[in-house]
Amino acid sequence: EAGVVQSPRYKIIEKKQPVAFWCNPISGHNTLYWYLQNLGQGPELLIRYENEEAVDDSQLPKDRFSAERLKGVDSTLKIQPAELGDSAVYLCASSPGGSSYNEQFFGPGTRLTVL
Amino acid sequence: SQQGEEDPQALSIQEGENATMNCSYKTSINNLQWYRQNSGRGLVHLILIRSNEREKHSGRLRVTLDTSKKSSSLLITASRAADTASYFCATDTSGTYKYIFGTGTRLKVLA
Repeated sequence: EAGVVQSPRYKIIEKKQPVAFWCNPISGHNTLYWYLQNLGQGPELLIRYENEEAVDDSQLPKDRFSAERLKGVDSTLKIQPAELGDSAVYLCASSPGGSSYNEQFFGPGTRLTVL
Repeated sequence: SQQGEEDPQALSIQEGENATMNCSYKTSINNLQWYRQNSGRGLVHLILIRSNEREKHSGRLRVTLDTSKKSSSLLITASRAADTASYFCATDTSGTYKYIFGTGTRLKVLA
């Protein structure tokens, strides 16, 4: 079974530029999460989807961040414009959904460096 | 914001020794999960313990949960060099499906 796929794995951009991250969850997983992880810290939730609906985006900085999950499968997270403080690893995770007892399956992450 | 705090922040042991790390959290939980993260495999789920459970085992892993103290511990027995990684606890606050991760314990197992 294929795991969660993320691309790109690494991205270096100048500040004020836009950037987008893509995630393909495990087939059949209804719940999709985007997390941000700073160096030496645990992941912090940005947004959670149940199918195509964003059910928790309270932690998403909506002035510059946006996300979508078309057709309830793939998801894209965008930052526009990027700031120096956005440098971090962006993780995507998925779970089968329907229960809070499900484990999350994480992708390898996208490491963003903003110069 | 991070709900959980792992203790210690870093731990270095010899291969074959046991490693114990602790997680404290602030609010009532539905379940608590432990994850491992290393550079090779990213974040991997290790074990889940429900709020009505007190202890759970999986291979060389033993997890305990004390809801009265809002704390959990992860014990890795007979550690191996391959156990070198960061370990995180994640709590699902009372069925919200929102998992909050702790700050992590960096474990180093010396061969």
